Amino acid sequence: QVQLVQSGAEVKKPGASVTVSCKASGYTFTTFYIHWVRQAPGQGLEWMGIINPSGGSTRFAQRFQGRVALTSDTSTSTLYMELNNLRSEDTAVYYCARGFYCSGGSCYSRPLDYWGQGTLVTVSS
Amino acid sequence: EIVLTQSPDTLSLSPGERATLSCRASQSVSSNYLAWYQQKPGQAPKFIIYAASSRAAGIPDRFSGSGSGTDFTLTISRLEPEDFAVYYCQQYGGSPPYTFGQGTKLEI
Repeated sequence: QVQLVQSGAEVKKPGASVTVSCKASGYTFTTFYIHWVRQAPGQGLEWMGIINPSGGSTRFAQRFQGRVALTSDTSTSTLYMELNNLRSEDTAVYYCARGFYCSGGSCYSRPLDYWGQGTLVTVSS
Repeated sequence: EIVLTQSPDTLSLSPGERATLSCRASQSVSSNYLAWYQQKPGQAPKFIIYAASSRAAGIPDRFSGSGSGTDFTLTISRLEPEDFAVYYCQQYGGSPPYTFGQGTKLEI
């Protein structure tokens, strides 16, 4: 069955960086894009960015441009989200979720059908 | 960027009643690529509707989606106790960002 398993909770100081991992299983890793979404305490869902695990192309929400990096490791079917220069407002649960499907050179829009369990990142001095 | 505005922010109903949740887009949603998600406290969101009106696998038929262009609706025909949660709409087609609405809390 499809699973996205994320790394554990992190506590960081302002100005530091954090890396969250998301290990995929149960499907062909390179055929689905992965979205990253975050949720601050008591708040709604915020779309951060997307990565094509095959080739590593990325797109980001404008507010995260230059501060977030998304990478993939096809040898371990693992995705990574690195957020730099952390501030208290970055305290949130971070989710990875499966999206676009690509086959035969074409990609097809798909909803976020499988989600990781979430990783709480706390930024505090 | 497409802005999605959900209404109401909070909907207070009882089991057995009908719930109608709205999601309005600031511009037309590409090919009606509009999804609805359900989120319960402490859990990841769960995908329930895609392409505006198609139910995800395993979702009860009391959930239905409708709409096109800029106006979309999620209807729950007869509320069950387990349906009380927060619901989000999201547009997932065209170019990014793939924005979410701010959510509607469905409470007893």
